Amino acid sequence: AQTVTQSQPEMSVQEAETVTLSCTYDTSESDYYLFWYKQPPSRQMILVIRQEAYKQQNATENRFSVNFQKAAKSFSLKISDSQLGDAAMYFCAYRSLLTGANSKLTFGKGITLSVRP
Amino acid sequence: GAVVSQHPSWVICKSGTSVKIECRSLDFQATTMFWYRQFPKQSLMLMATSNEGSKATYEQGVEKDKFLINHASLTLSTLTVTSAHPEDSSFYICSAKDRNSYNSPLHFGNGTRLTVT
Repeated sequence: AQTVTQSQPEMSVQEAETVTLSCTYDTSESDYYLFWYKQPPSRQMILVIRQEAYKQQNATENRFSVNFQKAAKSFSLKISDSQLGDAAMYFCAYRSLLTGANSKLTFGKGITLSVRP
Repeated sequence: GAVVSQHPSWVICKSGTSVKIECRSLDFQATTMFWYRQFPKQSLMLMATSNEGSKATYEQGVEKDKFLINHASLTLSTLTVTSAHPEDSSFYICSAKDRNSYNSPLHFGNGTRLTVT
């Protein structure tokens, strides 16, 4: 079974600065998806960024980018120019591509990010 | 974009009663929907996978007679918490996969906050 580990429960960043959130995972599969989701106080799950394991190029979405190290099974999220609205809980998630896996997501424990004005 | 409507957004019920939560995909068809439970400041825990036209698949430790799932159409899955008790109080979130898009990410509802008194 796959596992996703987010070892930092909380982080804080100064507004306009850059912060990196860590995530590691364990799997025996060679092809899969990785995601970062944001959950603000409203508790709506918002997809931040997605990475396909077969792609070597790191995904980027505006101020959000990932550092995907497949061999090390590491998938960190970098938030540049942090904004007050980035304050939320962030979850790293894994999705198998195996037939029968039903596309279910395995989530890490999450990290609470606070942004200091 | 794809929208998942979850209703109600919050509900308060008395101990011993049953509560039904609906999850609807508004602009796509979903053969598979997922039900998660989340406690404050914790991760999403997968409870069950809802499959249209067939029985749901429950995760280990989740009581299928306690949490009844029905997925009778391609756009609607329901979760019924039967004989609710205070320990069932939690935040419940559904997500759905677009059957016509293999690579699409899961789409999440806004969640339901259940309080059992």
